Amino acid sequence: GAGVSQTPSNKVTEKGKYVELRCDPISGHTALYWYRQSLGQGPEFLIYFQGTGAADDSGLPNDRFFAVRPEGSVSTLKIQRTERGDSAVYLCASSPTSGSQTAGANVLTFGAGSRLTVL
Amino acid sequence: GDSVTQMEGPVTLSEEAFLTINCTYTATGYPSLFWYVQYPGEGLQLLLKATKADDKGSNKGFEATYRKETTSFHLEKGSVQVSDSAVYFCALSVRAAGNKLTFGGGTRVLVKP
Repeated sequence: GAGVSQTPSNKVTEKGKYVELRCDPISGHTALYWYRQSLGQGPEFLIYFQGTGAADDSGLPNDRFFAVRPEGSVSTLKIQRTERGDSAVYLCASSPTSGSQTAGANVLTFGAGSRLTVL
Repeated sequence: GDSVTQMEGPVTLSEEAFLTINCTYTATGYPSLFWYVQYPGEGLQLLLKATKADDKGSNKGFEATYRKETTSFHLEKGSVQVSDSAVYFCALSVRAAGNKLTFGGGTRVLVKP
């Protein structure tokens, strides 16, 4: 598609429930990144993929969070046993690649985000 | 680790005023530097970038110069408009870290007519 698409745009769930957030990156972009943005703060890195593999998952806060990208395109962020502190906007971004210094190659394009509210 | 510090807001200005948002960074490698903007109700958008020391990024009347000696990337605009009201984020990326972005906390700017 023309941009990064994230669904759902809004998700309200109850504490303890399981949630999946989907990201459809720009066609042809091999690198995909997940961020979390809490109210009034800057985005915090969670995980990024180069192709199908998770190249860096150092930002995942705990083992309740997991992400996959099985075919190297669409990615799903999965949150188990949600807690109220998980409430935030989850942002996805993609770029043509993750390891190049070629001008423009390392520019991330962000989606509009998925706002998660845990009651 | 890598980090970005930017001035806290909100910054409230009158139309046509001069805007400066300070940004400093620490990085383990040689970073590229970015300013992203988030308009009300919209997603993050790249505003400008610079990839090496002394480079100047510019877009929509905004400018920022990569200052390696002071590890800074301050954002400036000579004459702001109401439409510039937004949250501005300074960020860096390091090639060795897969070009993932590290963001500052954001600065909210409100321009009044």
